[in-house]
Amino acid sequence: DTAVSQTPKYLVTQMGNDKSIKCEQNLGHDTMYWYKQDSKKFLKIMFSYNNKELIINETVPNRFSPKSPDKAHLNLHINSLELGDSAVYFCASSHGQQNIQYFGAGTRLSVL
Amino acid sequence: SQQGEEDPQALSIQEGENATMNCSYKTSINNLQWYRQNSGRGLVHLILIRSNEREKHSGRLRVTLDTSKKSSSLLITASRAADTASYFCATEEGNTGKLIFGQGTTLQVKP
Repeated sequence: DTAVSQTPKYLVTQMGNDKSIKCEQNLGHDTMYWYKQDSKKFLKIMFSYNNKELIINETVPNRFSPKSPDKAHLNLHINSLELGDSAVYFCASSHGQQNIQYFGAGTRLSVL
Repeated sequence: SQQGEEDPQALSIQEGENATMNCSYKTSINNLQWYRQNSGRGLVHLILIRSNEREKHSGRLRVTLDTSKKSSSLLITASRAADTASYFCATEEGNTGKLIFGQGTTLQVKP
């Protein structure tokens, strides 16, 4: 009964491939996020959805496309993967004004 | 530019000692949060301090906030080996819902 679960945990792929990461939360939260954490542990927000609507879209290449079929799910599709996309991607959710975020365990993406 | 910056980047102490981590930020805030990240895991929320609060406690954690200096500190008292992790501060950019994280302090507690 993990609160925020994302799959897969590890993803190793070749440059140029397309891949997806899935995220689901069972906390009943309205808002979900995707973050990218680089090798220096710098964590940067990529996207945020509130009730299936995109509310934050940072300067991210348009090869990255989030999709939220319902408020409990936020998936991330990445086209034409590049070496620089290698990182750990975290899904998170939050509820309420305080914006306390609950994170998934991360997906470690390695592009070869 | 990055909202939160942390100091030190790395800290190594013996079990039982106290650990202090500092965070500075650049713009006005409604609140400031601290998170912990164990190796290979996601971030876990530890504590939130509002802009009108100066100090807050939670178990062995003590957080202070100085809005005039735009800084916060996290003190972990009587540290344990299990406290070994990276610690991040986070502030919200305006009322955007966007959390900006510092680069973190990596704490190692030696048994």
